[in-house]
Amino acid sequence: AQSVTQLDSQVPVFEEAPVELRCNYSSSVSVYLFWYVQYPNQGLQLLLKYLSGSTLVESINGFEAEFNKSQTSFHLRKPSVHISDTAEYFCAVSRRGYQKVTFGTGTKLQVIP
Amino acid sequence: DGGITQSPKYLFRKEGQNVTLSCEQNLNHDAMYWYRQDPGQGLRLIYYSQIVNDFQKGDIAEGYSVSREKKESFPLTVTSAQKNPTAFYLCASTPPGTQETQYFGPGTRLLVL
Repeated sequence: AQSVTQLDSQVPVFEEAPVELRCNYSSSVSVYLFWYVQYPNQGLQLLLKYLSGSTLVESINGFEAEFNKSQTSFHLRKPSVHISDTAEYFCAVSRRGYQKVTFGTGTKLQVIP
Repeated sequence: DGGITQSPKYLFRKEGQNVTLSCEQNLNHDAMYWYRQDPGQGLRLIYYSQIVNDFQKGDIAEGYSVSREKKESFPLTVTSAQKNPTAFYLCASTPPGTQETQYFGPGTRLLVL
């Protein structure tokens, strides 16, 4: 079985400051890793994903995440946040060859002006 | 525009009543999913379907039922057996031949009167 842990339920950060949202996963086999973002009362949107290859993946709006196999982590980072980044962020994992995706409990990012 | 639509946006259920949430997609995706979202608990899988006329229980299927008579449609019925149905329900789909990105609908919020 696979699982995802997002230890921080809320992360407040000042505008233009850096942020890291933590994600650790547990799986005995190779996995795909994802970060999704959810704005209030909306569905989730894919932010970025790791399937294979380079362990550092980037999104079009400045977020990046690094797959660390030894630490079983996939932390999300942004060097300078904007007010519009205020949202809930979900880390997710799926086993290669399986349809099911397991989501973490989410981290609410609150950007303070 | 291609995408996933869910209706209604808000739904009210009376005691002992069955209600059906609609999910339609025109993305030509094979796999479709239903999730339940509660504050602080992330997304939990209710049911998923990989092809027409076939579906599997997820982690919290009790009190719910689904059908998959058409590729485009995956309705979810919340039965009277579901004693705590108040939640945000999200439908998602995945492109054929892969288990990568999940595409989400805008969600339906179910409230009990």
